[in-house]
Amino acid sequence: DQQVKQNSPSLSVQEGRISILNCDYTNSMFDYFLWYKKYPAEGPTFLISISSIKDKNEDGRFTVFLNKSAKHLSLHIVPSQPGDSAVYFCAAGLTGGGNKLTFGTGTQLKVEL
Amino acid sequence: NAGVTQTPKFRILKIGQSMTLQCTQDMNHNYMYWYRQDPGMGLKLIYYSVGAGITDKGEVPNGYNVSRSTTEDFPLRLELAAPSQTSVYFCASDPGSNYGYTFGSGTRLTVV
Repeated sequence: DQQVKQNSPSLSVQEGRISILNCDYTNSMFDYFLWYKKYPAEGPTFLISISSIKDKNEDGRFTVFLNKSAKHLSLHIVPSQPGDSAVYFCAAGLTGGGNKLTFGTGTQLKVEL
Repeated sequence: NAGVTQTPKFRILKIGQSMTLQCTQDMNHNYMYWYRQDPGMGLKLIYYSVGAGITDKGEVPNGYNVSRSTTEDFPLRLELAAPSQTSVYFCASDPGSNYGYTFGSGTRLTVV
């Protein structure tokens, strides 16, 4: 049972345009959500997070939106840069549950010149 | 500041062999985790620890064991390696907040 889903395995965007990565979840008990970025042969690195009490969090070029009623979150990258080319994982957590995270399957983003 | 260090980076095992994947962190984080990533799949939690002396199973613990004798170290033991354990293994640590894990660079394990 995949509780966190990223239905788009890949996404290609032109440099300077907006990248939108999507994530859906099924467990309404999750109370915080995160995005990780992963380059080949490296571990994932934390990018941005959002608590379930918010619907938006922004950090520079990165914005995460949360729609709890739809159980959907998205990551917006504006403007996209070639260095943003990586695999992006969304993850969901439950406070007090040992801080365990459930990860999606990832979306490969390619930013083209 | 080294963060989370995993060794080895690569390993080939024969079926039935055993090995220990090492993980150490220098951030004094209480929480530590082992995940595996299979091709085209997300990260699956194997085991986790909320402090020295405390460990618990994650989603896919079968075939693995862990120990946490110190805050810094969280080794993962594979007994009787099987081809299904071919994967990339990531160790991570967390201070106990919701601000995201720090991951190691991974160990790529192939069982033949």
